[in-house]
Amino acid sequence: KQEVTQIPAALSVPEGENLVLNCSFTDSAIYNLQWFRQDPGKGLTSLLLIQSSQREQTSGRLNASLDKSSGRSTLYIAASQPGDSATYLCAARRGSNYKLTFGKGTLLTVNP
Amino acid sequence: SQTIHQWPATLVQPVGSPLSLECTVEGTSNPNLYWYRQAAGRGLQLLFYSVGIGQISSEVPQNLSASRPQDRQFILSSKKLLLSDSGFYLCAWSVLLGASSYNEQFFGPGTRLTVL
Repeated sequence: KQEVTQIPAALSVPEGENLVLNCSFTDSAIYNLQWFRQDPGKGLTSLLLIQSSQREQTSGRLNASLDKSSGRSTLYIAASQPGDSATYLCAARRGSNYKLTFGKGTLLTVNP
Repeated sequence: SQTIHQWPATLVQPVGSPLSLECTVEGTSNPNLYWYRQAAGRGLQLLFYSVGIGQISSEVPQNLSASRPQDRQFILSSKKLLLSDSGFYLCAWSVLLGASSYNEQFFGPGTRLTVL
């Protein structure tokens, strides 16, 4: 059974800092891994999706990496802004089925 | 572009009352559709998924059921709500694109259900 863990559960940083969010998964036989952002009371916004054959994906100030052998993914946020404050979730898709297994998320607060 | 709608946005229901939450997707055909629940302190839990009209797979035995009467419509129901059914319900969709089976999931705005 796939388990996804996100550490830390909460992170507070000053504006402008570069930061890394961590995601680990127990079953390395993943098909892809997806990072989401969730604002309070809102749905999830897809940020990046990394296929199992890829090492990283970039979108603007965001860069996600994937290391299947170690069971880890990281989300790097450059030059953080107060608008980046949200909960960030990662989810792993195993094999060819459609199911995503989610971590519990990291609550990020960027202080002005 | 694709859009996903959920309604209602919020709902307060008494224990034992019925439930119907609706999700519709625009701008795509034959999507895979999903219902998730997000409870306080717990991660997102997949409840149901559907790969086509009338095709429903249940992930967790529970007090809820799902139906897909049309290609882009997904409904979550209950005959009698329990206190434990309270939570944030999210609908999502994905499609298979080409041979790579690119399968990014996109989520709706959610429905906040409170059972009293």
